[in-house]
Amino acid sequence: NAGVTQTPKFRILKIGQSMTLQCAQDMNHNYMYWYRQDPGMGLKLIYYSVGAGITDKGEVPNGYNVSRSTTEDFPLRLELAAPSQTSVYFCASSLDRTGADNYGYTFGSGTRLTVV
Amino acid sequence: EDKVVQSPLSLVVHEGDTVTLNCSYEVTNFRSLLWYKQEKKAPTFLFMLTSSGIEKKSGRLSSILDKKELFSILNITATQTGDSAVYLCAVHNNDMRFGAGTRLTVKP
Repeated sequence: NAGVTQTPKFRILKIGQSMTLQCAQDMNHNYMYWYRQDPGMGLKLIYYSVGAGITDKGEVPNGYNVSRSTTEDFPLRLELAAPSQTSVYFCASSLDRTGADNYGYTFGSGTRLTVV
Repeated sequence: EDKVVQSPLSLVVHEGDTVTLNCSYEVTNFRSLLWYKQEKKAPTFLFMLTSSGIEKKSGRLSSILDKKELFSILNITATQTGDSAVYLCAVHNNDMRFGAGTRLTVKP
């Protein structure tokens, strides 16, 4: 009963380094999302995917890239890390975009990223 | 611009108190409003509301939506220390837009 699994849980990056945040779900959900959460700012949507091979930008996509080669996996790539990307990142999935399945989104446990 | 505003931003109460958390919104193409509880890690789903005036309950938690006045409240009765968390309100239109959250601290 894994749900949404994110790795790593913590990471410190130096400015200019790159990394990939991993996200996998085992619920056969079509929709997957990446959010960032900054203190006092709520969750901001970075990218989302409606199915394998299809991705789209959210509210704050700059500095990030995603891919969706399989239904299960939705990695988030930071190419040139900047201090402004210090945040907590959450991956989420849902059965459909409207939430009509009545369970909302299922979130992973988050990745705390610090860029120094 | 679409926005979701939660109030208060933080709240400290004692066990046994009743609290009311507020969420107001201005969005186009409203579809649903959701409440989540976030403790140390991932937000966990509490309620989804789509119709005005229909209360949803789960134990000591309840929530209601007013689509005319564009707000929702989350009530917690007989609070316990385990209710301490950040409570997030999210509104679904074309996207899922989250409020900043209300940090609730319940003291013994």
